[in-house]
This record gives sequence, structure tokens and C-alpha cells, in this order.
Amino acid sequence: NAGVMQNPRHLVRRRGQEARLRCSPMKGHSHVYWYRQLPEEGLKFMVYLQKENIIDESGMPKERFSAEFPKEGPSILRIQQVVRGDSAAYFCASSPLDRAYGYTFGSGTRLTVV
Amino acid sequence: QQQVKQSPQSLIVQKGGISIINCAYENTAFDYFPWYQQFPGKGPALLIAIRPDVSEKKEGRFTISFNKSAKQFSLHIMDSQPGDSATYFCAASETGANNLFFGTGTRLTVIP
Repeated sequence: NAGVMQNPRHLVRRRGQEARLRCSPMKGHSHVYWYRQLPEEGLKFMVYLQKENIIDESGMPKERFSAEFPKEGPSILRIQQVVRGDSAAYFCASSPLDRAYGYTFGSGTRLTVV
Repeated sequence: QQQVKQSPQSLIVQKGGISIINCAYENTAFDYFPWYQQFPGKGPALLIAIRPDVSEKKEGRFTISFNKSAKQFSLHIMDSQPGDSATYFCAASETGANNLFFGTGTRLTVIP
């Protein structure tokens, strides 16, 4: 019974490149949440998705960031034209509920922009 | 602005001692207060959570104390062990919300 799977664990991108982060939720979970953790800071909510729908993207930067959760396959967080300030740990959580309780977090993707 | 304020930023405790981490919030609509434990290279894991209808919740060596009037809550780790060394985050949410507001974390080190 695998937990929330995120890959890659580490990602290095040069400024201006694209970063794609993947998240496979726990079996039976249809709700996916993305959070970003900047160095020495807590996690900050980015987006909440259900299959084929973005429910709440109030925490997503307006430009360069997008997310999807297709009918088949993992959820993808996409960052276009990355900048140094995008360097952070990105965590995905899944839940059987459309609520903040019941989260299970993945181990995260650590993005480094050089 | 930071919805949940957490202190201290770091904490060093001797083995067997009590670790205390404090959090404060402003939004009176918050009604769910979890604590997460995060080891290096891992994602946060839910440790214990409380709702404002009780003032204290205990699970093993971990206790949450909640003061609704002061809008504060704290985590107490009794008989702290080196294996408890991790970063601890408090968080808060309100009914119907689908996201958590996290504190900035406390890095706990338990010295043998």
C-alpha cells in the first residue's frame, strides 16, 4: 500500500527552463494538494485538484505556474521559465476528503534553479 | 501575512526533558489545529490534532494544549528522545476549507 509518490526527488534546472513535478496520490484518494516550502519557512498552499478539475488555485503564482490532475496518470505541477526564487521543496498531499484533514504528504521534490 | 505564528525557531532539549512548542493564530474561524513532524528529506507526517471543543489532547508522549480565549495552542513532548529530533510544524484550518495554514516550524534537537 504505497503512500503518496512524488518524483523526481531532486530536480536541478537552469534559469529559463521548465520544471515538471509529478505526484501519484495514495490508492483511493481522489483529492490532491500542492504545497511549497521555502528555506526556513513553513509550507504554503498552492493548489487543490480533483480528477480533471482545479478546485482552488488561490495560492498559485499568477504566471509561469500551472497544475493538472488528468483522468489517467499523476498530478503534474509545471513551472515554466524557472527563476532562482522558485528553488524550494514542493510537496504533494492526497486525501480521501475535500477537507484539510486526512492529508498524507509525499516526500517532496527539491527543486534547485541554477 | 503569517496566519499562524510559531516559536521558538529552534529548541535543544536533553533526553528525558520536556519539549514545548507554541503557536498563535488570529483567525477565529480556525477550528482544526494539527501538528506535523518532518524528518530531513521527508514530507510532513501528521502527529496529533485538536479541535477547539477540548482544551487538551494526549497521545502517548505528545500532548496538545489549547487556549481558545488566547488563540494559542502548544505541543508538549514528554520524556523527549533523540528519535524525536525533527522539525515540528503547527497548522490551522477552518471547517470546509481545503488548505492548511502552517507555522514556520521548530527544529527540535534532543541531546542524548
